[in-house]
Amino acid sequence: GQNIDQPTEMTATEGAIVQINCTYQTSGFNGLFWYQQHAGEAPTFLSYNVLDGLEEKGRFSSFLSRSKGYSYLLLKELQMKDSASYLCAVREYGGATNKLIFGTGTLLAVQP
Amino acid sequence: KAGVTQTPRYLIKTRGQQVTLSCSPISGHRSVSWYQQTPGQGLQFLFEYFSETQRNKGNFPGRFSGRQFSNSRSEMNVSTLELGDSALYLCASSSGGDTQYFGPGTRLTVL
Repeated sequence: GQNIDQPTEMTATEGAIVQINCTYQTSGFNGLFWYQQHAGEAPTFLSYNVLDGLEEKGRFSSFLSRSKGYSYLLLKELQMKDSASYLCAVREYGGATNKLIFGTGTLLAVQP
Repeated sequence: KAGVTQTPRYLIKTRGQQVTLSCSPISGHRSVSWYQQTPGQGLQFLFEYFSETQRNKGNFPGRFSGRQFSNSRSEMNVSTLELGDSALYLCASSSGGDTQYFGPGTRLTVL
């Protein structure tokens, strides 16, 4: 089966660091994506991991462990504008495909 | 480059009607994927088109269909609308097998 789990909600304080976890069980794996979605807007691409390890992009970092079926998104120096839903998505493996399986998302609230 | 565009942005239909949604990908992108987003189910994959061919399909009934034109623009059609089809329909484009970039979506309400 296919299953992607993320916490439903998280709260953090402005200026702090927050880690959003994602675990997955899918029939195939060809990369993991993180997207940010503000209320009423389209998801925007944050990061992509296909090999184990940490990818850093400014205030955002993403980690992947394929053997554990685990990823996390790390947000540093939180700002109020980071309040949004964070979506973890796995791309299935199997020929040429762009099919993404999404988790239900983690709603992050950043408080002053 | 202009981003992914979708039309219309909002749509209200009644049960039993049919609807067609349009998506124009980023210039040069040949892959267009469609997703349905609802509060309860999150984002669910509908289908993907690449060079006018359906490359993959999700677990939706046959009432949901799509096509892609030679200029990579894509349409999706839902026939015999049901209340449960009320959702945000998102399309995403990519150049092939890499990162997908989403459009603003079409908010469909079925009454």
